[in-house]
Amino acid sequence: AQSVTQLGSHVSVSEGALVLLRCNYSSSVPPYLFWYVQYPNQGLQLLLKYTTGATLVKGINGFEAEFKKSETSFHLTKPSAHMSDAAEYFCAVSDQGGGNKLTFGTGTQLKVEL
Amino acid sequence: DTGVSQDPRHKITKRGQNVTFRCDPISEHNRLYWYRQTLGQGPEFLTYFQNEAQLEKSRLLSDRFSAERPKGSFSTLEIQRTEQGDSAMYLCASSLVLAGYNEQFFGPGTRLTVL
Repeated sequence: AQSVTQLGSHVSVSEGALVLLRCNYSSSVPPYLFWYVQYPNQGLQLLLKYTTGATLVKGINGFEAEFKKSETSFHLTKPSAHMSDAAEYFCAVSDQGGGNKLTFGTGTQLKVEL
Repeated sequence: DTGVSQDPRHKITKRGQNVTFRCDPISEHNRLYWYRQTLGQGPEFLTYFQNEAQLEKSRLLSDRFSAERPKGSFSTLEIQRTEQGDSAMYLCASSLVLAGYNEQFFGPGTRLTVL
């Protein structure tokens, strides 16, 4: 069975500061890994994904994440936070078969302060 | 609008009543997923369809829940004899199955409140 752990249900950063959201996964097979963002009363939007190839993946809005197999991690970073980044972020894992259904972490609420 | 749509966006019902939600996927997407998201949690997989065939159901999908996709286009999720524990956001997603990974596009969700 797959699982995802997101450390820190709430993260607060200052505008312009580095954003680091942590994600560790458990999977018995090489996983596909994702970060989604959810704004209030909206659905999930894909930020970025890792399937194969380069382990450092770049996404929308300046976010990037690095797949580290040895650490079973897929942390999300952004060099400089913007007020518009305030939202809830979900890390997810999918196996390469099984209908590609997603297993999500519990989410991290990002707050950006002036 | 060419995204995934869900109707209604909000539903308030009394315990014991039946409710039905609809999801319209992106046109030509052959795979459709349902997830449930409770407060403070990430979405949890419920079931998925490829065309009109329901290929997998989570153990979370009790006998009171039924999902259909009769013509391989829109889908409905019905909950019979609702319970307060059914209160959640119900999310639908669709994808086009090609080689490799197929990105899921999510709808805005239906928020169910059971009184």
